[in-house]
Order: sequence, then C-alpha cells, then structure tokens
Amino acid sequence: DQQVKQNSPSLSVQEGRISILNCDYTNSMFDYFLWYKKYPAEGPTFLISISSIKDKNEDGRFTVFLNKSAKHLSLHIVPSQPGDSAVYFCAAEGHTGTASKLTFGTGTRLQVTL
Amino acid sequence: KAGVTQTPRYLIKTRGQQVTLSCSPISGHRSVSWYQQTPGQGLQFLFEYFSETQRNKGNFPGRFSGRQFSNSRSEMNVSTLELGDSALYLCASSLWGVREKLFFGSGTQLSVL
Repeated sequence: DQQVKQNSPSLSVQEGRISILNCDYTNSMFDYFLWYKKYPAEGPTFLISISSIKDKNEDGRFTVFLNKSAKHLSLHIVPSQPGDSAVYFCAAEGHTGTASKLTFGTGTRLQVTL
Repeated sequence: KAGVTQTPRYLIKTRGQQVTLSCSPISGHRSVSWYQQTPGQGLQFLFEYFSETQRNKGNFPGRFSGRQFSNSRSEMNVSTLELGDSALYLCASSLWGVREKLFFGSGTQLSVL
C-alpha cells in the first residue's frame, strides 16, 4: 500500500521555466513533509520541508505548497537550471506514539533541458 | 565535517548467504536510519536507531536486522539472502530523528545472484 505517491515518473522542463513536481498522500496522520533530491551514485540530499500547520514554505528557488484537504503537496522550482536534473523524492512523517517513521514516494526524474 | 560513510560501496552475494553493511554517521549525530531503494519502489524505510535503541521498524521480514553501537555507528544485517534483496541500501544520520534534515551516505549497492 503506497501511502505516498508520485504519479509522474519523469518530467522534462526547459531551462528558465518552472518545474512543478507533485506528491499525494493517503495517511491523514502525516504532519510533516520533506523533499529530497538525488543524483546518480550519490545519496539523497535534503531540499525543503513543510509542517502541516503551514501551506507554503519557500527557500530561494524552491517553494513547497501543501493542500491538506486534498492531501497533496507540490514542489515548485523557479527558474529551473540544468543542475536541477535529478530524481526528486517527497517524504511524509507521522508519529505513532513516540515512534517517528518516514515514508517516501517512488520519485520523479526531472530533466532540465537547454 | 566528514559526511555519512557507508561501507562497502558494492557487494555481490549469492542466494542464501548473509551480509553486513556498515554506516558511520556524522559526528554528534545520534539517529541513524536505513532505507532500501529499488527501481519502482522508491526508498523504503527499514529501521531507525537512536542511542543504541531501535525506535521504529518498517515492514520488512525478520531477515533484516540492525544494531547501533555506543559511538553511533550502525550495522545492518540481512540473512538468507534472496534475489529480491538486490537493491541500494542507504543510511542516513541526524541529530535527533527522521523528522529533521537527514544526511545520507552514498549507499551500498547489493547484488544477489
């Protein structure tokens, strides 16, 4: 049962344009969300996060939007650069008692073309 | 500050064997979590350790186990390997837990023949 879904396996965007990566979740207990970027042969690196008490968080070119009623979040990259070409994973965190567990989506491969 | 170090980088085993993977977290980080990455499945949470105690475990069979030492270094063990265990195994460290920014190692690529 995939509780965090990234329905687009790949996305191609021209340099300078906006990249929008989407993520849907099913578990209403999730209350914290993160995005990670992964280059080949490297471990993922943290990009940005958002708590469920907010609906937007911005960090430079990266903005994450959270729509709790739709159980949907999106990552916007503006403007897109060739170095942004990577696989992007969204992740959701929720507590079960004191235990904290991170659930990842399957990833979206972003290619930024010249 | 040194990053998260995972050894070995590549490993080839045959079915039925067992394997131990190692992870050295960033100095001062007490939380170490492990993930399995396979094509089409994304990253799946295996378990998290904090101060030598397993705090949480994902939905993996008992063949997957781990431990954490007093210096926060962690090992993961897979016994009776199956073909489906072929994957990239990633570990990540943080100060307190998975809710904060995780620092990942480059992973161990395990191939089971």
